Amino acid sequence: GEDVEQSLFLSVREGDSSVINCTYTDSSSTYLYWYKQEPGAGLQLLTYIFSNMDMKQDQRLTVLLNKKDKHLSLRIADTQTGDSAIYFCAESLSGYSTLTFGKGTMLLVSP
Amino acid sequence: NAGVTQTPKFQVLKTGQSMTLQCAQDMNHNSMYWYRQDPGMGLRLIYYSASEGTTDKGEVPNGYNVSRLNKREFSLRLESAAPSQTSVYFCASSGEGDSGYEQYFGPGTRLTVT
Repeated sequence: GEDVEQSLFLSVREGDSSVINCTYTDSSSTYLYWYKQEPGAGLQLLTYIFSNMDMKQDQRLTVLLNKKDKHLSLRIADTQTGDSAIYFCAESLSGYSTLTFGKGTMLLVSP
Repeated sequence: NAGVTQTPKFQVLKTGQSMTLQCAQDMNHNSMYWYRQDPGMGLRLIYYSASEGTTDKGEVPNGYNVSRLNKREFSLRLESAAPSQTSVYFCASSGEGDSGYEQYFGPGTRLTVT
């Protein structure tokens, strides 16, 4: 079945780059997503990548996809304290199908 | 555009009580979902509705029922609440965006069952 794994915690200093990693098991995954959740809030869609792409850049965010290793990463450049949150990776087999989420990576940014 | 809205934001129930969580979206999406979020468990799918008139079970459907009232609204009902259903419940909807399929979440309902 589908499974998505993420490291639980990452701590960085303000101004550094953050890299959050995710691995997934289903090679049929079509879309891979990154969501951000701030305390007490819902999930905010940050970015996503279609499986025929290797990289997607959106302002300070860069998503890298290695399909051979089933590895997805989210790089946040110039990390700010406002980036402190839990980041969820999720996969979907098709646009219409449900999402399978990882357990989330808590990013802590210190001044 | 309000996106996905949920009511109520908070609720406390006693064991055995029933309640319905409401969800609505204004993005004209066909698909809607209910998830629960528990510490250390990520998000788990309870039920989903791929289109108006259809509903399907997700990973953890026991103790819940759903109704897709129309294209906009998808409700989740707890018939006899149990402490194990203490959780944060998120509704979501999905549809085609600028560069692919996008799933958007509501702000959540924080439910405590005593």
